[in-house]
Amino acid sequence: DGGITQSPKYLFRKEGQNVTLSCEQNLNHDAMYWYRQDPGQGLRLIYYSQIVNDFQKGDIAEGYSVSREKKESFPLTVTSAQKNPTAFYLCASQHYQEGNEKLFFGSGTQLSVL
Amino acid sequence: GENVEQHPSTLSVQEGDSAVIKCTYSDSASNYFPWYKQELGKRPQLIIDIRSNVGEKKDQRIAVTLNKTAKHFSLHITETQPEDSAVYFCAALSSGGSYIPTFGRGTSLIVHP
Repeated sequence: DGGITQSPKYLFRKEGQNVTLSCEQNLNHDAMYWYRQDPGQGLRLIYYSQIVNDFQKGDIAEGYSVSREKKESFPLTVTSAQKNPTAFYLCASQHYQEGNEKLFFGSGTQLSVL
Repeated sequence: GENVEQHPSTLSVQEGDSAVIKCTYSDSASNYFPWYKQELGKRPQLIIDIRSNVGEKKDQRIAVTLNKTAKHFSLHITETQPEDSAVYFCAALSSGGSYIPTFGRGTSLIVHP
């Protein structure tokens, strides 16, 4: 959807390197999420943030870090501690409003290891 | 926390047949149930959703049914077409509560021409 933008579309990481994936939304959504998707697999929650300057670990947070300094932005850093980072990463955002809580996804970033 | 089970993991049908994907959830506080379609390499797109105060919702060839007592909901696609081929995800969340969606593991639907 046009209101949530992920970049870059493709990213390559060298061993020992940290890389950062960008996620920006102009929908004035309260919550933002990061998911990891491996081939043929479902969506696994990495981190989520319900409010600025606060975020919570999801099911697979090890080797990842996030920040939420602005409502619009929720970047994900894949650190060198993540030994198997090759995957498709999806960012999503959501209003916290009953009746208007649909999740909107970005177009994704494919991360590969060189 | 919430647990969502989705079946089958793969569904293969002939063009024109119907397809049904089923999900069960565990948390009785869940009251909003969206379905997403994801084509290869693309973002998941919302195709239909249902709230707990409704038993069925229809949008052209797609329908969703909800049984609150049994805690299960299903996606029905009639007159399938090759362009329906994709991965479909169900989800459950508590709107007005935590709002955090829990997703099923996905169903790969293949429609053969």
